Amino acid sequence: SYVLTQPPSVSVAPGKTASSTCGGDNIGSKTVHWYQQKPGQAPVLVIYNDNVRPSGIPERFSGSNSGSTATLTINRVEAGDEADYYCQVWDSRSDLWVFGGGTKLTVL
Amino acid sequence: EVQLVESGGALVHPGGSLRLSCAASGFAVRTNRMGWVRQAPGKGLHWVSIIYSGGSAYYGESMRGRFTVSRDDSKNTLHLQMESLRADDTAVYYCATVNDREGFFDHWGLGTLVTVSP
Repeated sequence: SYVLTQPPSVSVAPGKTASSTCGGDNIGSKTVHWYQQKPGQAPVLVIYNDNVRPSGIPERFSGSNSGSTATLTINRVEAGDEADYYCQVWDSRSDLWVFGGGTKLTVL
Repeated sequence: EVQLVESGGALVHPGGSLRLSCAASGFAVRTNRMGWVRQAPGKGLHWVSIIYSGGSAYYGESMRGRFTVSRDDSKNTLHLQMESLRADDTAVYYCATVNDREGFFDHWGLGTLVTVSP
């Protein structure tokens, strides 16, 4: 089965840029989606189709995907961005949906 | 406005059964791809099941043969029937809408807690 690998944690100072990676075999050939989950809350879609923001998601959030790594980038990080972030892909050939293990973003 | 409200979570003994429900409003479940995602305490998200608008259903490996997803179109509700429950099925179970073309989960419920314990 397909595996997505995310670092367990990332730390960043307020106002700086945070990057969260998602590794997978030839992930650049797949479409990657990203979710934000704050403690005690349901996940929220923040990026879909590699780099598209749903309405209501700040422009500070962006995504990219190439080769073996997809990346979620958050510019001008705020305290309210502190959360767990998960990447996800859909393997349409085998009808499997896969999540990465998640990265905890800590705002210092 | 799309709303999803899960119910049915409970404490159940190992080997027991449980049926979760997800009441939808703001759209018709019969015309949408719907799914279940679970999260064990302190752990990450894990895909459980998807049902297509045409009725085809798919399951994560550890759920196959034990879980069954279904819809009640008259009540606009999604169900997840869980059998032979194990301790590692303990989790918050989320219901979500699933984008047909790209497979992302765009609207989520608040979840319902299932605890499997002696």
